[in-house]
Amino acid sequence: GDSVTQMEGPVTLSEEAFLTINCTYTATGYPSLFWYVQYPGEGLQLLLKATKADDKGSNKGFEATYRKETTSFHLEKGSVQVSDSAVYFCALSRMDSSYKLIFGSGTRLLVRP
Amino acid sequence: EAQVTQNPRYLITVTGKKLTVTCSQNMNHEYMSWYRQDPGLGLRQIYYSMNVEVTDKGDVPEGYKVSRKEKRNFPLILESPSPNQTSLYFCASSLSGQTYGYTFGSGTRLTVV
Repeated sequence: GDSVTQMEGPVTLSEEAFLTINCTYTATGYPSLFWYVQYPGEGLQLLLKATKADDKGSNKGFEATYRKETTSFHLEKGSVQVSDSAVYFCALSRMDSSYKLIFGSGTRLLVRP
Repeated sequence: EAQVTQNPRYLITVTGKKLTVTCSQNMNHEYMSWYRQDPGLGLRQIYYSMNVEVTDKGDVPEGYKVSRKEKRNFPLILESPSPNQTSLYFCASSLSGQTYGYTFGSGTRLTVV
């Protein structure tokens, strides 16, 4: 079945460091791919998305490119801030009528001043 | 402000006492869904709805009911809650789940004792 695999956390970085969170997926067809962020005590917020191969999603300095050949959607940011500390979820949207989001396990990011 | 509103945010209840978690969205979205989030198990879909009066089971529907009598509301009903339903619940809505992504509510933390 469809699945999403994320790198294990936590990821601890110093402020202004470069961030990469790896995400790979298994799916039939051509799913849409998403990154969601969850700040402490809050719900999930859509960070960025890509709906077809080679699309690049971007928002708030974060980027991810839909790579069909490697079935990957890695999240990157050139310079992280303390306020980026959160849990990041990679997800895909199934191609059936359920429109279900299949989530990765989440990666906790901690950015130190 | 476009949002998904869940109530209550926190709830402690006893086994067997019926409860309802409300969910309302103000974006005229057709698709709505309920997820539960559990440590080590991630986010799993409980039920979803593609439109008024159209609902279907997700991955973990046992012990839950839903209804969609109006487009904006999608309550989650636990007829006889049990301790294994202790979890963090999220309601989400989408204009078109496959490509637009979902807007999530802030969550309801339910404890069943």
